[in-house]
Amino acid sequence: DARVTQTPRHKVTEMGQEVTMRCQPILGHNTVFWYRQTMMQGLELLAYFRNRAPLDDSGMPKDRFSAEMPDATLATLKIQPSEPRDSAVYFCASGLAETSGIRIEQFFGPGTRLTVL
Amino acid sequence: DQQVKQNSPSLSVQEGRISILNCDYTNSMFDYFLWYKKYPAEGPTFLISISSIKDKNEDGRFTVFLNKSAKHLSLHIVPSQPGDSAVYFCAASASLFNKFYFGSGTKLNVKP
Repeated sequence: DARVTQTPRHKVTEMGQEVTMRCQPILGHNTVFWYRQTMMQGLELLAYFRNRAPLDDSGMPKDRFSAEMPDATLATLKIQPSEPRDSAVYFCASGLAETSGIRIEQFFGPGTRLTVL
Repeated sequence: DQQVKQNSPSLSVQEGRISILNCDYTNSMFDYFLWYKKYPAEGPTFLISISSIKDKNEDGRFTVFLNKSAKHLSLHIVPSQPGDSAVYFCAASASLFNKFYFGSGTKLNVKP
């Protein structure tokens, strides 16, 4: 059945290293979201794309985070350089928006658990 | 500043009894609300939603109540089952904002 996939599922890295997380949205979905889950903040929206174009990345620290959709089947979230405070679970979600609105059902991937030492 | 708050980090309920999960929001512009359920090592899954034109929406054992004047919504699970043990997130959006704001989650434990 159709699912959002994320790789890697776990990543341990050292401070200062580059981290790239990948997401394959459900085929046919035109909207992709990146969220971060922390103990204190819960689920925070980092960025989202519609038809591969970035619509909102206001939740993302611009100096070290970047999000892209090289094609309709791949979304990436990159952190460079990584810091210990970036340790969290990062979720990708996708959905199908038939209008310009955002009220669509979001299907989440299993997440990437990132630990920055 | 969190616009959606779930003030109870955890809740424990006996199987068969009612579970009530609460969510408060601060922004009066919010007009659409959702609940998600999350099991360990999995992503959240959509559970139920409600629009501000309603004050109640029901789906099987799950009912969401919305009190706009109090800026409060709650999820009722009746009867609770051990398989309901999970983290529950509420989320809110407004047509002007074009994004969802999530709470920090409440971990529900349903004891057999």
